[in-house]
Amino acid sequence: SQQGEEDPQALSIQEGENATMNCSYKTSINNLQWYRQNSGRGLVHLILIRSNEREKHSGRLRVTLDTSKKSSSLLITASRAADTASYFCATDKEGGSEKLVFGKGTKLTVNP
Amino acid sequence: DTGVSQDPRHKITKRGQNVTFRCDPISEHNRLYWYRQTLGQGPEFLTYFQNEAQLEKSRLLSDRFSAERPKGSFSTLEIQRTEQGDSAMYLCAIILDTTDTQYFGPGTRLTVL
Repeated sequence: SQQGEEDPQALSIQEGENATMNCSYKTSINNLQWYRQNSGRGLVHLILIRSNEREKHSGRLRVTLDTSKKSSSLLITASRAADTASYFCATDKEGGSEKLVFGKGTKLTVNP
Repeated sequence: DTGVSQDPRHKITKRGQNVTFRCDPISEHNRLYWYRQTLGQGPEFLTYFQNEAQLEKSRLLSDRFSAERPKGSFSTLEIQRTEQGDSAMYLCAIILDTTDTQYFGPGTRLTVL
């Protein structure tokens, strides 16, 4: 079963705009990771945030984590057409084997 | 380059045939994971190895599925008597460093006709 739920399921924006995707999960976690997947391709790791962190940045990406609400958000600033992809959050359960539980993803389309 | 290669990248087979996929990390890593991803869904965990020991298996891994990791390096995933419902992308992942980040290979796309 899939623990994470991304919201929205699909998002369409214009180049230069910011894109925000949200993720909710159910259990206590060690960390939360965001991945990008272009159509039919493998998963590209974007960023990992630990349960004791609240915010993390990497280039145009900003991730927040609220463990009290069991939620995370991924912000992509100044989006580009090349950002068009599906974005997944994945969590590993506290005290577990580090296996990842993924949501269904947000399909982002950035229009030129 | 994620440090993981998978072979083959695509496999088309007829229902009832056996298939085997291979995952090759570029160097030895003690933790290796297999996931399956169907169309429109996120990946789902199948099984996990620490070195050569298979420590956890998902309920998704029916008795038609078997995975091995001899010598704790490369891993294979075999599906016997394939069914159309096995059509999916099969992904392998490793943890490269102490950050617990899982890096994925490009996947093997299986189509069962």
